[in-house]
Amino acid sequence: SQTIHQWPATLVQPVGSPLSLECTVEGTSNPNLYWYRQAAGRGLQLLFYSVGIGQISSEVPQNLSASRPQDRQFILSSKKLLLSDSGFYLCAWRNRDRGLEAFFGQGTRLTVV
Amino acid sequence: GNSVTQMEGPVTLSEEAFLTINCTYTATGYPSLFWYVQYPGEGLQLLLKATKADDKGSNKGFEATYRKETTSFHLEKGSVQVSDSAVYFCALRVGNQGGKLIFGQGTELSVKP
Repeated sequence: SQTIHQWPATLVQPVGSPLSLECTVEGTSNPNLYWYRQAAGRGLQLLFYSVGIGQISSEVPQNLSASRPQDRQFILSSKKLLLSDSGFYLCAWRNRDRGLEAFFGQGTRLTVV
Repeated sequence: GNSVTQMEGPVTLSEEAFLTINCTYTATGYPSLFWYVQYPGEGLQLLLKATKADDKGSNKGFEATYRKETTSFHLEKGSVQVSDSAVYFCALRVGNQGGKLIFGQGTELSVKP
């Protein structure tokens, strides 16, 4: 069966520090991968998606970047965090050849102080 | 463009009450529609889906019917339980651009005993 792992679960970082959140998927190959952010009291905003290794599409201009160094690994990064980067970050994957829905990780709660 | 609009929360109901959470969408083409549920501190789980007009998705007593004429996908449950307390997200899938999901802002449901 397929599983998605996201870590860390919780993170507190000072303003100006770097960020690296990692997401890996097991049990499938060549998935579409997504990073979403959920700000407090707000809905889900798609940040990045990837249809293959090294292929990243950015949805909104921001202080973050994403990379896909391996087929089932998706990394969200920042060189210098802002207070506005606080939120709940969710990684998701979808089997492009089968099924329409996306499957989500457990999320990372990021607080920038 | 593509967008999803949900009724605002929070929604507070007594146990065994009838639930409706409204969802309307704007989309080009023929999107697939989804309801996801997020329990406190967790990621999103797929609740149900519908892929074409007049399809009814159902799961765990929840139902939603894809209404093309009214561009709606309202979520209903005949008798809610305390364990249904969560945030519910309506979403549509865009067929191109990596199959990304576009979410509504979420509706928080609180069920009291």
